[in-house]
Amino acid sequence: GAGVSQSPRYKVAKRGQDVALRCDPISGHVSLFWYQQALGQGPEFLTYFQNEAQLDKSGLPSDRFFAERPEGSVSTLKIQRTQQEDSAVYLCASSAQGTENQPQHFGDGTRLSIL
Amino acid sequence: EDKVVQSPLSLVVHEGDTVTLNCSYEVTNFRSLLWYKQEKKAPTFLFMLTSSGIEKKSGRLSSILDKKELSSILNITATQTGDSAIYLCAGKPKTSYDKVIFGPGTSLSVIP
Repeated sequence: GAGVSQSPRYKVAKRGQDVALRCDPISGHVSLFWYQQALGQGPEFLTYFQNEAQLDKSGLPSDRFFAERPEGSVSTLKIQRTQQEDSAVYLCASSAQGTENQPQHFGDGTRLSIL
Repeated sequence: EDKVVQSPLSLVVHEGDTVTLNCSYEVTNFRSLLWYKQEKKAPTFLFMLTSSGIEKKSGRLSSILDKKELSSILNITATQTGDSAIYLCAGKPKTSYDKVIFGPGTSLSVIP
């Protein structure tokens, strides 16, 4: 497809379960970002990949959060032992390399609800 | 710590009204400021502003950056119900990669 694709659109999990969220960026986009957006808030940066390299993971809230992009394309955000405070929309965005004057393109997000 | 602040946080207007949304930023090595519109899904890009005092326009929407005041405004004229959304402002520092810092957003509701 032409845009950033995320799956699933909705995920409900019980507290303590592990979840995996998938992001399929725009083809050829080198940069990939994950954000967490709580209700009524703006997106908060989680982590950044350039190709398969995770260059910034300073926004990951705890060591329960793990992200990977093994082949420099699809990325997975994994949350282990989920807590209620993990409930949020998780947005993925991608951008082409060397396009400092181009915006990031966002997916529709995964809405995660922890019961 | 870099931050972006927006005001008001929410706003209700009638169709046909003109609205002004405000954004102020404290971003180290500031490069540019971006505006996004977020309805129920993905944020969609509206404007990127790099130079102070130059207005960017797209239909009924316009925006301008004031680097002296570290702020930007987004204007929407003749509002329509389809303008109802969250408007996100984001600051972009001069980093080695395309990092942005988002504000909390302004939730705009346009009622008939």
